[in-house]
Amino acid sequence: DAKTTQPTSMDCAEGRAANLPCNHSTISGNEYVYWYRQIHSQGPQYIIHGLKNNETNEMASLIITEDRKSSTLILPHATLRDTAVYYCIVRVASNAGNMLTFGGGTRLMVKP
Amino acid sequence: GAVVSQHPSWVICKSGTSVKIECRSLDFQATTMFWYRQFPKQSLMLMATSNEGSKATYEQGVEKDKFLINHASLTLSTLTVTSAHPEDSSFYICSAIGSGTINTGELFFGEGSRLTVL
Repeated sequence: DAKTTQPTSMDCAEGRAANLPCNHSTISGNEYVYWYRQIHSQGPQYIIHGLKNNETNEMASLIITEDRKSSTLILPHATLRDTAVYYCIVRVASNAGNMLTFGGGTRLMVKP
Repeated sequence: GAVVSQHPSWVICKSGTSVKIECRSLDFQATTMFWYRQFPKQSLMLMATSNEGSKATYEQGVEKDKFLINHASLTLSTLTVTSAHPEDSSFYICSAIGSGTINTGELFFGEGSRLTVL
């Protein structure tokens, strides 16, 4: 699976949009971009994933650049409960035996 | 999304004893389950991959005789830490993938089990 690069930490004001970047310059054509987050002392939570097109769900939006070498996770109105470590992962979706490889992630701190 | 449940959520044991952690998929059949370990302020590290009915595949550096994994059914996998020592104290997390999400690839994670070995 292609590797990803994320900033170690970010701050965001409560109520503002949180934009978390991820670089995946070696991504291959059949690899999806997945985002998970881990709140302290809990298991990771799936947020969103995409291949080429931008995606939106009730939690977040995922913007993928046209060359697919980077993406941004957007939390439109961050709350204190969004404070967590956010992981960007790329992998081939259909390979069921291919586990998720977690990098260091971005520690997002939402401040009042 | 699919629900994966772990039990116990935390356990304290004496050095030399064995501890079993269960991972259940509550509303889907998990064809593959993964076990991760996470030390404080570190990322998740994959320990092993298990497919129902077959032996688990362990990552390099993970002792298979110490961390016994059983995936006897499509809804249950267990991790047994044998002869636990204080350095085995960690947060253990399972995840599962089912037939419904094979093509889209989402993994669903349990809540994690915190093991403290005294």
